[in-house]
Amino acid sequence: EPEVTQTPSHQVTQMGQEVILRCVPISNHLYFYWYRQILGQKVEFLVSFYNNEISEKSEIFDDQFSVERPDGSNFTLKIRSTKLEDSAMYFCASKSQGLIGKNIQYFGAGTRLSVL
Amino acid sequence: GQQLNQSPQSMFIQEGEDVSMNCTSSSIFNTWLWYKQEPGEGPVLLIALYKAGELTSNGRLTAQFGITRKDSFLNISASIPSDVGIYFCAGLTSGTYKYIFGTGTRLKVLA
Repeated sequence: EPEVTQTPSHQVTQMGQEVILRCVPISNHLYFYWYRQILGQKVEFLVSFYNNEISEKSEIFDDQFSVERPDGSNFTLKIRSTKLEDSAMYFCASKSQGLIGKNIQYFGAGTRLSVL
Repeated sequence: GQQLNQSPQSMFIQEGEDVSMNCTSSSIFNTWLWYKQEPGEGPVLLIALYKAGELTSNGRLTAQFGITRKDSFLNISASIPSDVGIYFCAGLTSGTYKYIFGTGTRLKVLA
């Protein structure tokens, strides 16, 4: 069964450093998302991406964040200068455009980001 | 902003019992999704709902899309130990790409 894969599973970084979290969405999906989940809290929407551009973003997704689809398979989240409060699980998700399984997002297993 | 309130926050039940949890909002949604999350994992889709009043089952799980489109519930019948996890609802409104997640219901099943 196709799945969303995320790497690395755990990223440890120093405050102020840049990190890039990587995702390979399901191959025929056209909508891509990043979410954040601080330990013990709910899943929070960060950004959605469609047709090579951001379609929507939350107030969390400030200038420190950026997303890119550098090739036909990868979807990345970059945090330019990490802060302690960026420590969280980051989930990538993707969704097809078709009517079958419409509006269903499939999630990756997540990347745990620890900012020291 | 939009919020989804889930209740209860947590439940401790005996194996074999039925479970019911719900999600409510002041906003209208056109899609409801129910996910289960286990420790260290991403959310896994359980059930998707698209129409007001829709009742959908997936094995021992049953979910309904509320008539007002502002709520949804999930029932688990005859719970088993592997039902342990956090259950999240997620809603999507028309004209947006943004899924709103509920606060989660943490389920623990005692054997």
